[in-house]
Amino acid sequence: AQKVTQAQTEISVVEKEDVTLDCVYETRDTTYYLFWYKQPPSGELVFLIRRNSFDEQNEISGRYSWNFQKSTSSFNFTITASQVVDSAVYFCALRINTGKLIFGQGTTLQVKP
Amino acid sequence: GAGVSQTPSNKVTEKGKYVELRCDPISGHTALYWYRQSLGQGPEFLIYFQGTGAADDSGLPNDRFFAVRPEGSVSTLKIQRTERGDSAVYLCASSLSWTSGDNEQFFGPGTRLTVL
Repeated sequence: AQKVTQAQTEISVVEKEDVTLDCVYETRDTTYYLFWYKQPPSGELVFLIRRNSFDEQNEISGRYSWNFQKSTSSFNFTITASQVVDSAVYFCALRINTGKLIFGQGTTLQVKP
Repeated sequence: GAGVSQTPSNKVTEKGKYVELRCDPISGHTALYWYRQSLGQGPEFLIYFQGTGAADDSGLPNDRFFAVRPEGSVSTLKIQRTERGDSAVYLCASSLSWTSGDNEQFFGPGTRLTVL
C-alpha cells in the first residue's frame, strides 16, 4: 500500500526563521515520484517541486530546498528565512505509475511578523 | 494561458438532491483528475481520465458518484442522492499526459459543496 505521512500538523515560526516540513512515504514500487504542493488561504493548490525515485540529488530554489533520502523514505522541505507570505498549508504527495497522487494530511505553516 | 477552471465555485444543496460539478482542463491536457478534500485533510483521489475514458475510478466512494468526459476535454462529476458527508471541496486537475509519471498536475480552484 502507498501512504504519505506528514507528522507535523501545525508549525508556527517568526519571520526570518528557517523551518523544515517533514514528509515520510511508503511504497513498494521502485519507480515513483514525490511532489510538494502549497495551498494558500485562497485554496488553490500550487505545484512546488517533483522528484523521481532515481534522483536523490537535493535541490535548492531560492529560499526553498528539498532533501530526498530513500534510505529513510523521506522527502523533507526547508524554507530558509521564512516570510509571512509563506503562510499556507503544505502537502507532500506520492505518485506511482497509476497516475493518481496520494497526499499527506498537510502541515499548516504560520509565519508571524 | 488559462488554467484549470471549475464551476460553480460554491454549491449549496439539500440532502437527497442531485448535483453536477464541472471542470475545464488546461487546453491540450489529455489527463484529467478529480479529488475531494475534506476540511483539515489532504486531497483524496476519486477518478482520472485519459482522453474520454476513465483510466482509474477506484477512488469513487460509492455508486452515487459518477464522472464523464465525453469529448476528452470538459469533465462533469455527478453526485446522486447527496448526503451530508459529501460536503467537501471537489478539486479538478489536469496534466499533459498520464503516461509520463513526472507530469505535474495543475489544480483548479475547486468547488465547495455543502449538503444541508
